[in-house]
Amino acid sequence: EAGVTQSPTHLIKTRGQQVTLRCSPISGHTSVYWYQQALGLGLQFLLWYDEGEERNRGNFPPRFSGRQFPNYSSELNVNALELEDSALYLCASRGGSYTEAFFGQGTRLTVV
Amino acid sequence: QKEVEQNSGPLSVPEGAIASLNCTYSDRVSQSFFWYRQYSGKSPELIMSIYSNGDKEDGRFTAQLNKASQYVSLLIRDSQPSDSATYLCAGGMNTGFQKLVFGTGTRLLVSP
Repeated sequence: EAGVTQSPTHLIKTRGQQVTLRCSPISGHTSVYWYQQALGLGLQFLLWYDEGEERNRGNFPPRFSGRQFPNYSSELNVNALELEDSALYLCASRGGSYTEAFFGQGTRLTVV
Repeated sequence: QKEVEQNSGPLSVPEGAIASLNCTYSDRVSQSFFWYRQYSGKSPELIMSIYSNGDKEDGRFTAQLNKASQYVSLLIRDSQPSDSATYLCAGGMNTGFQKLVFGTGTRLLVSP
């Protein structure tokens, strides 16, 4: 069974540009979490989607947005990129309440 | 109080020793708890889940949950240098959709 897949794995963007990151959850999982992890720091919660709805949002500016599609895949959009957006962006999927979450391999975003 | 709290470490233990990693949680978190291991630059991987009071063993790992005292711990027996990583504690919140929340992680260093 395929795990959580994220694309692309690496990305270099210029300050001010926009980027879209993608996540495909494990088959049967309806819940997707997005996290930002800057170098040497902990997971920062970005967004949580479940059954196509945004359930919760972390303390990030509105230029961070996303959505979940009917097949439960998800995308994270970041507009007007800033240097401090350089980080590992992680997606995790979960099959439901009380169950484990599984992470994708992440997307390493570098903003120059 | 944060939902899930961990000492950032580092926790240093010699090879072959028992490493004890601890996590406390608030009243807003209950029911399900998870331990993840994250190597530097990689995504977190699930080690264990625990739902009931008491101990749960899996190989060299033992998870312990004490709901009365609101703590969960992870013991690693016969620690190896390859166990050196950051260990993340996570729990499900008491909301209808059981949002998953993470601690900031404890860095473990196992010296040969």
